[in-house]
Amino acid sequence: KQEVTQIPAALSVPEGENLVLNCSFTDSAIYNLQWFRQDPGKGLTSLLLIQSSQREQTSGRLNASLDKSSGRSTLYIAASQPGDSATYLCAVKSWYSSASKIIFGSGTRLSIRP
Amino acid sequence: NAGVTQTPKFQVLKTGQSMTLQCAQDMNHNSMYWYRQDPGMGLRLIYYSASEGTTDKGEVPNGYNVSRLNKREFSLRLESAAPSQTSVYFCASSETETQYFGPGTRLLVL
Repeated sequence: KQEVTQIPAALSVPEGENLVLNCSFTDSAIYNLQWFRQDPGKGLTSLLLIQSSQREQTSGRLNASLDKSSGRSTLYIAASQPGDSATYLCAVKSWYSSASKIIFGSGTRLSIRP
Repeated sequence: NAGVTQTPKFQVLKTGQSMTLQCAQDMNHNSMYWYRQDPGMGLRLIYYSASEGTTDKGEVPNGYNVSRLNKREFSLRLESAAPSQTSVYFCASSETETQYFGPGTRLLVL
C-alpha cells in the first residue's frame, strides 16, 4: 500500500531565502505526483504535476523534482515571499490504483517571516 | 465561472442526526470526488464518481453515501452522524489529472 510522508510538518524561514520541501513515498510504481498549496480555511490549489517519465517541472519560482528510485520528490521555492506562507501537500497516484485515486501526504506548513 | 462550490460552509450536528453536503461544479468535468481532511493527516478519499451515473468507494467510505445527481452535482450524505465524522470535507472535480477543489465544509458532530 502506498504511503506518502512529508517532513517536517512545519517550517519557518526568513523572507528571501530559497527553500526545499520534501515528500517521500514507499512504492516507486507511481503514475504521477502532484504538489498542492492550501491556504488556511481554503481548498487545495494544484501547483505542479510531474508524470512518472519526467524528472522535474517548473512554474515561475517553483521547481518540483521527482526521483522514483529513491521514492522522493522535492518542491524548491526560490526567493521566498510572505505570500508563499501556506500548507504544501504532495499527492501520489500509483499505477495499480483505479483511475482517479491519489494518496496525499499530511503536508508541510510553511511560514515566511518578513 | 465559480469552479467548485460547496454548501454549507459550516455545520454543527448532534450524534445520530443526518445531513447532506452539496457540491457543484461548472467546468463540465466528468470526475468528481469527496475527501475528508483531519488534523495532522492528508486528505483521504471517501467516494468518487468517474462519470455521471457511476460512483465508487474510496479509502474511508463507511458511514457515508453519495449521489451523482447529474454531471454538475455530487452530494455526500451522512445518515447517522458520529463524533468520528467531525472533519473538513472537500469536494473536487477533474477532467484530466489535475483536480480542482472546493472551499470545504467544516462539520462538527457533538
